[in-house]
Amino acid sequence: NAGVTQTPKFRILKIGQSMTLQCTQDMNHNYMYWYRQDPGMGLKLIYYSVGAGITDKGEVPNGYNVSRSTTEDFPLRLELAAPSQTSVYFCASSYSLAGGEQYFGPGTRLTVT
Amino acid sequence: GESVGLHLPTLSVQEGDNSIINCAYSNSASDYFIWYKQESGKGPQFIIDIRSNMDKRQGQRVTVLLNKTVKHLSLQIAATQPGDSAVYFCAENRPPSGGSNYKLTFGKGTLLTVNP
Repeated sequence: NAGVTQTPKFRILKIGQSMTLQCTQDMNHNYMYWYRQDPGMGLKLIYYSVGAGITDKGEVPNGYNVSRSTTEDFPLRLELAAPSQTSVYFCASSYSLAGGEQYFGPGTRLTVT
Repeated sequence: GESVGLHLPTLSVQEGDNSIINCAYSNSASDYFIWYKQESGKGPQFIIDIRSNMDKRQGQRVTVLLNKTVKHLSLQIAATQPGDSAVYFCAENRPPSGGSNYKLTFGKGTLLTVNP
């Protein structure tokens, strides 16, 4: 199994541009998550999904959108990039919502200038 | 406000010594706790977890202790090795409340440096 894969690894955006961060998992997990990690900080939940077609906001959803059309894929969309969205983005998946290991992807480092 | 925090942002130990990383949490309703290890440039990696009905759980070279009375969590690493150098995060899982289905909150992390 490849686990959780993310693309791209790095991206530089200009203010106002849009992009989609891709995330795919091959473990047949129902639960998937998007986090952002700012320098020297912990992870903050942006959005999560409990299954195909079902998504919910996390702690910091403003400026982002998600969709979950399949079990495997959970893309994160930035519509109008802002410097405050400069961060490292991690996608994760898990078997359970109430507890249990979350498997993380390698991350996407995004810079908005 | 509610938070998951760490007592020490950095910890430096000698190879072979035992390491103890501490974490405080403030929500007494949290029922599940996890420790993650994050190496530079990589995503977090699960180390060990513990439920609130337990006080201690052991893994390979790692032990997690939970003290619910003082809302304190610790990760002990035995015979610390250079490969253990990383940032360690604790996270707490809060049961659903106020319409929220899920909330796993991460602390800021402790940087562990192992000196050879």
